[in-house]
Amino acid sequence: GAVVSQHPSRVICKSGTSVKIECRSLDFQATTMFWYRQFPKKSLMLMATSNEGSKATYEQGVEKDKFLINHASLTLSTLTVTSAHPEDSSFYICSAREVRGKNIQYFGAGTRLSVL
Amino acid sequence: AQTVTQSQPEMSVQEAETVTLSCTYDTSESNYYLFWYKQPPSRQMILVIRQEAYKQQNATENRFSVNFQKAAKSFSLKISDSQLGDTAMYFCAFIPFQGAQKLVFGQGTRLTINP
Repeated sequence: GAVVSQHPSRVICKSGTSVKIECRSLDFQATTMFWYRQFPKKSLMLMATSNEGSKATYEQGVEKDKFLINHASLTLSTLTVTSAHPEDSSFYICSAREVRGKNIQYFGAGTRLSVL
Repeated sequence: AQTVTQSQPEMSVQEAETVTLSCTYDTSESNYYLFWYKQPPSRQMILVIRQEAYKQQNATENRFSVNFQKAAKSFSLKISDSQLGDTAMYFCAFIPFQGAQKLVFGQGTRLTINP
């Protein structure tokens, strides 16, 4: 199956700093990538849809200035949590949709963000 | 509204038993895509099985099979000969129409396989 790499797997940062999370499709091209947030024992909540070469589309209630998304190539999307606060602590997951695929999203392993 | 409902928050069975997880969804479209994803304790989301709505034949992947009832908007997952490694959170999801990109997820069912 297709492989999506997400890095880092765990990050701890101080309040007020920014954190960047990378999502790479390793063996396929992805015109569209997605960023999710998952609270403990809950389902995935879509934050934004990222299309290569264009601005991300954010879901209602997600602050685009706080969660900066860049999709500079067909294999890389990044999520930057700016001026992180303890309430941003969560599990963030990316997924990638294959260009010629069967409308399947392949997921990264997730990033656990802890803001102190 | 396009929604997915998993009515069983938790299930528990003995190893080697067969278990069925329920899923219903709501869409007015005729062509869409249905999925079951597994999230084990590692939290890596893994695709278990996929079904295209225009295909009447139920999808199967080794021990995993679905019962797709289009008229009833039901998409249940059957796990045969369950194994300890099947312990995970299972999410039913769908892409509600042709050309859509976003997945709509259910709330999940936590499945525990006991030795």
